[in-house]
Amino acid sequence: GAGVSQTPSNKVTEKGKYVELRCDPISGHTALYWYRQSLGQGPEFLIYFQGTGAADDSGLPNDRFFAVRPEGSVSTLKIQRTERGDSAVYLCASSLTSGGLSTDTQYFGPGTRLTVL
Amino acid sequence: AQSVTQPDIHITVSEGASLELRCNYSYGATPYLFWYVQSPGQGLQLLLKYFSGDTLVQGIKGFEAEFKRSQSSFNLRKPSVHWSDAAEYFCAVGARGAQKLVFGQGTRLTINP
Repeated sequence: GAGVSQTPSNKVTEKGKYVELRCDPISGHTALYWYRQSLGQGPEFLIYFQGTGAADDSGLPNDRFFAVRPEGSVSTLKIQRTERGDSAVYLCASSLTSGGLSTDTQYFGPGTRLTVL
Repeated sequence: AQSVTQPDIHITVSEGASLELRCNYSYGATPYLFWYVQSPGQGLQLLLKYFSGDTLVQGIKGFEAEFKRSQSSFNLRKPSVHWSDAAEYFCAVGARGAQKLVFGQGTRLTINP
C-alpha cells in the first residue's frame, strides 16, 4: 500500500497479558516512530528507529514496553503485563530520513486502539 | 524541553466563516512547527510546517499559519471553512537535531451548517 499500515486496528486484552502491535512503514522510509495517544490528548512520543536501531527510546514509559525493527522495515511494539492505563491508540509514523533532522515529514498510520480490561 | 499549548479544546464555527486555531510553544531556540489534522478513523495528516524563512506558511486545503517569535505562537487560519474541515487539529514542535515531535492536546473543530 501507499501509506503506513498498522495491525490490528483494534486489540482488546486482559490485564496482565502480553500484546504485540505491528507497523508497516512506507516503502523506502528509513525512519520509524511510535507514539501513544490517550483519550483527549495529543500523541506522545515513545520511540524512534533509524534503520534497525532504536535511536531514541526516551519516551518508553517503563520496561514493560519494548519495540523492535529487525530488518529495518516492519516494526513491532511489544507490551508485557498490560495494565489498564496502557489503554490508548498507538500510532506509528515513518519518514524518508537521510539527515536525521526533525524537518522530515512524518506520515502517520491510522493507529491501533488498545483496550486493556 | 519543548512544549505546546493549544488553549482551545473545542471550537464551533459556521460553514463559510473564518477560522483561527491558537498554538503557543515553549522552546529555547528556533523551533520546527507543524500543524496536523486528524479525522475520525484516519491517521494524522500534515497540513503545513515551518522551519525557517517566510513566517507565513501556506499549507494544503487552504490553510495557512503564521510564526510569531515574539509571541511564541503558530496560529492556524483559514478564511472560509467547509463542513469537511470538521476534525481534530494538533500543533506540534520539533527540536533541531532531534526527531521526535511534541504535540499539543488538540482542538476539536465543529462546523455548523
